[in-house]
Amino acid sequence: NAGVMQNPRHLVRRRGQEARLRCSPMKGHSHVYWYRQLPEEGLKFMVYLQKENIIDESGMPKERFSAEFPKEGPSILRIQQVVRGDSAAYFCASSPPVGRGETQYFGPGTRLLVL
Amino acid sequence: AQSVTQPDIHITVSEGASLELRCNYSYGATPYLFWYVQSPGQGLQLLLKYFSGDTLVQGIKGFEAEFKRSQSSFNLRKPSVHWSDAAEYFCAVGPSSNTGKLIFGQGTTLQVKP
Repeated sequence: NAGVMQNPRHLVRRRGQEARLRCSPMKGHSHVYWYRQLPEEGLKFMVYLQKENIIDESGMPKERFSAEFPKEGPSILRIQQVVRGDSAAYFCASSPPVGRGETQYFGPGTRLLVL
Repeated sequence: AQSVTQPDIHITVSEGASLELRCNYSYGATPYLFWYVQSPGQGLQLLLKYFSGDTLVQGIKGFEAEFKRSQSSFNLRKPSVHWSDAAEYFCAVGPSSNTGKLIFGQGTTLQVKP
């Protein structure tokens, strides 16, 4: 059973470009979470999605960031007009239908570098 | 407000020595508590979790953690550290009933001396 998959693993963008990060959850998992890890910091929650629904986006910056989890295909975290401060590791996690306290399984992350 | 504090940013121990990593939390409801480990350039791997029941929880790789409600703590322990345990360790609390949000501490970097 494959784990959570994220691609690309590394992404370099110039300021003003768009970044698209993909996440395929574990088989049987219908819940996806995105977290951001800035250098020397812990992970900060961004958004929680189920298929075709955003459940909680309280951690998403108000501008330039969006997320989706379509009926078919991976979850996408999209960052428009990237700035240097967006440089970070972005982690996706997935879980089975919740259960409060259901364990979240993390992918290897996408490391975004904005030049 | 919900929060997790890991007071130690860096810890260095000798191989074979015992280890304790501290974690304190602030959470309004009964907490669900997790310890994750992150090796350099990798994702997070779950070491153990506490939901209810026995307050001493056994995890993978020989780790254990004890939930102490009176102290709002969930410290991670290992009796004998191996060089391969060098990594960053994160304590997390949550999620709440209507959101999947996990709240993470700042992390503790463990170095192991030969």
